[in-house]
Amino acid sequence: QVQLQQSGPGLVKPSQTLSLTCAISGDSVSSNSAAWNWIRQSPSRGLEWLGRTYYRSKWYNDYAVSVKSRVIINPDTSKNQFSLQLNSVTPEDTAVYYCAREANWGPAFDYWGQGTLVTVSS
Amino acid sequence: DIQMTQSPSSVSASVGDRVTITCRASQGIASWLAWYQQKPGKAPKFLIYGASTLQTGVPSRFSGSGSGTDFTLTISSLQPEDFATYYCQQASSYPLTFGGGTKVEIK
Repeated sequence: QVQLQQSGPGLVKPSQTLSLTCAISGDSVSSNSAAWNWIRQSPSRGLEWLGRTYYRSKWYNDYAVSVKSRVIINPDTSKNQFSLQLNSVTPEDTAVYYCAREANWGPAFDYWGQGTLVTVSS
Repeated sequence: DIQMTQSPSSVSASVGDRVTITCRASQGIASWLAWYQQKPGKAPKFLIYGASTLQTGVPSRFSGSGSGTDFTLTISSLQPEDFATYYCQQASSYPLTFGGGTKVEIK
């Protein structure tokens, strides 16, 4: 059974960096068949896919255009986890952030983290 | 980006009712569609993929249909645990995008 456990602060000041981590159990961040995603949810933007990291003989990343200039998603193979960094945050980045695994079927999400409410406020 | 439009945005129904939710894609996505159920304070739960295939463990009262641009999620006989918000998601191309959700409420 795959489990994803999120950690990170719930309050970030404007212009600073949002950092979250997703620890994986029951699968490997280096799996050649999985991909590891970050998704956020807010009342104004709904569910919004942010990006992913995956390994296919080497590491790849894909990012949403809306955050591409500000986001980094990194794997950490030593801890079997992956992380989200979102730079230069504004109050519009306030949302519940989820990590999720892509299903074997294709680019949909079969396992999710518990969610982290991140508020951007001074 | 592919836009996903769900209707209705909310529906009031009673236990035992049949409920149908519609999802429309702004361009053809073949059968690259997934459905999720979300309850308050929880992460979405993966229900259906490939437009019509139930994820393991999902009750058979849930069904999905459609291809191209028009899709439906049907709950054949609504149970108390089905009151939730439902989302569609296109899996055809990046960026992956979601519908705005349909809230199924108790009548």
